[in-house]
Amino acid sequence: GAVVSQHPSRVICKSGTSVKIECRSLDFQATTMFWYRQFPKQSLMLMATSNEGSKATYEQGVEKDKFLINHASLTLSTLTVTSAHPEDSSFYICSARKNSGTGFWNEQFFGPGTRLTVL
Amino acid sequence: AQTVTQSQPEMSVQEAETVTLSCTYDTSESNYYLFWYKQPPSRQMILVIRQEAYKQQNATENRFSVNFQKAAKSFSLKISDSQLGDTAMYFCAFMKRGGNQFYFGTGTSLTVIP
Repeated sequence: GAVVSQHPSRVICKSGTSVKIECRSLDFQATTMFWYRQFPKQSLMLMATSNEGSKATYEQGVEKDKFLINHASLTLSTLTVTSAHPEDSSFYICSARKNSGTGFWNEQFFGPGTRLTVL
Repeated sequence: AQTVTQSQPEMSVQEAETVTLSCTYDTSESNYYLFWYKQPPSRQMILVIRQEAYKQQNATENRFSVNFQKAAKSFSLKISDSQLGDTAMYFCAFMKRGGNQFYFGTGTSLTVIP
């Protein structure tokens, strides 16, 4: 299967600072990537859909000015948590949709996640 | 709107035994996909099995099989010959055909007991 990487895998930062998380599709092109947030022992909640070359689409309740998403190439999307606070501490997971070009099914592959801790 | 319900927060099974995880969903869509994902302690999401709603035949992948009941909107996962490596959180998920967004259930934590 295809591989999606995330960097860093863990990050600890001070309150008020910004943190950037990278999501890369290593062996395929992804026009669309997705960012999820997962609290302990809970499900994944979609935060936003990242589209290459255009603005991200945010889910209701997600602050677009706080969670900045950039999808500058077909293999890279970044999520920047601005002015992070302790309540932003969570596990962030990206997924990338593989452009197969045929049919209705374009499989998505998940990254390994990034654990963010804000002190 | 789509909803996915997993009514079993935690389950356990003896090694080599069989276990069934339940999932129900609600949708007005007629064409969609259903999935089971595994999330082990590493937190990496791994696709276990996928079912296309227009196919009546239940999907199978080695020790994993599903019981897809479209009319009842039920999609259970059966794990046969359970192994210690099956210990993980299992998420049921829905995606409409042609769509991008997963709708995940709340998950079932499965523990395989040696």
